[in-house]
Amino acid sequence: AQTVTQSQPEMSVQEAETVTLSCTYDTSESDYYLFWYKQPPSRQMILVIRQEAYKQQNATENRFSVNFQKAAKSFSLKISDSQLGDAAMYFCAYKEAAGNKLTFGGGTRVLVKP
Amino acid sequence: DSGVTQTPKHLITATGQRVTLRCSPRSGDLSVYWYQQSLDQGLQFLIQYYNGEERAKGNILERFSAQQFPDLHSELNLSSLELGDSALYFCASSVGPSFIEQFFGPGTRLTVL
Repeated sequence: AQTVTQSQPEMSVQEAETVTLSCTYDTSESDYYLFWYKQPPSRQMILVIRQEAYKQQNATENRFSVNFQKAAKSFSLKISDSQLGDAAMYFCAYKEAAGNKLTFGGGTRVLVKP
Repeated sequence: DSGVTQTPKHLITATGQRVTLRCSPRSGDLSVYWYQQSLDQGLQFLIQYYNGEERAKGNILERFSAQQFPDLHSELNLSSLELGDSALYFCASSVGPSFIEQFFGPGTRLTVL
């Protein structure tokens, strides 16, 4: 079974600085997708960024970028120029390409200090 | 706003009771997923329906059941509720059965007293 591990329960960052969240996963599949979801205090699950396993190029969405290392099964999220609104829980998620469900990691809480 | 709606927002009930959570997918989406977010288990997949048919099953208890109706809305029924069923229940939808992106609703917060 696929598993997703986020080893950092909480990360703190100064406003305007950069923070990197770690995620590792275990799978025997070669075709899959990886996601980072943000869950602010409102509890809404918001898709931040996604990465297709077949793409070598790392995905980028504005201030958010990933470092996808397929051989190492690692998928980290970098938040640049952190803003107060970035404070939230962040979940790493995995989905087989032909599969149905998302498998989530345990989450990392990001605190942003003004 | 993802376009997925869930009702009610909050639900407080007692042990042993039965509740129904409702989800309306985004317009055009045929697939509905249910997830449970609890302190103990984290975020986990419960069940998926596609165009009215059960498509995939996850860690769903036998006391829980779901269905998807012809108008594509879905209901999650939770019975013989226990304290440990207290959680945030999310519905998500996607266009197809294995579509890349799932869009999440705002969730229903269930509290069992």
